[in-house]
Amino acid sequence: QSVLTQPPSASETPGQRVTISCSGSSSNIGSNYVHWYQHLPGTAPKLLIYRNNQRPSGVPDRFSGSKSGTSASLAISGLRSEDEADYYCAAWDDSLSGGVFGTGTKVTVL
Amino acid sequence: EVQLVQSGAEVKKPGESLKISCEASGYSFINYWIGWVRQMPGKGLEWMVIIYPGDSDTRYNPSFQGQVTISADKSISTAYLQWNSLKASDTAMYYCARHGSSSVRSYFNSWGQGTLVTVSS
Repeated sequence: QSVLTQPPSASETPGQRVTISCSGSSSNIGSNYVHWYQHLPGTAPKLLIYRNNQRPSGVPDRFSGSKSGTSASLAISGLRSEDEADYYCAAWDDSLSGGVFGTGTKVTVL
Repeated sequence: EVQLVQSGAEVKKPGESLKISCEASGYSFINYWIGWVRQMPGKGLEWMVIIYPGDSDTRYNPSFQGQVTISADKSISTAYLQWNSLKASDTAMYYCARHGSSSVRSYFNSWGQGTLVTVSS
């Protein structure tokens, strides 16, 4: 069971904006950076956002991250069909002395 | 370019042992944490364990402590994940992944292609 909670699914039409939440606690999100990964079926996960709001080279600025207190969110604007994937938040957890992933959110482009 | 190449798919019986590998290239192997992530069929990603090859320091998810063993061979830039006695519930895709910095709290910015482990009698 994950300590980071995400909604199981999110959907929106092409061109619109979708936001995914990630809820944690003081031992993880509250005291550490949040990172986001995109996972397409049959492929390796891909780092999308690191250190709350930083984009690796090559990730479009349609993807943005934010954090407040013990929660974080990922926003995808100008939604495209290729954005259909599973999205996971992640953070270090001081109580576990290890990393944790969120429960994952499946994004569907209608 | 950082590359992580994992060993091939495995089919094992319950009770058997297994060691899967992840060969790294394109960077200084001893200076970055590298670890393993599990994805069971139809489920989400699970953070399992990481190792710092420079001094073999490890961090385990408590759920996996005692169930698996991580190791690293600096001479061939390869990380391993080992089971002594597999269970059917170990059936999953296993990804190796490297941290983006030398910090233990860092993110995974490079991933292997995955190793599918199937445990069935």
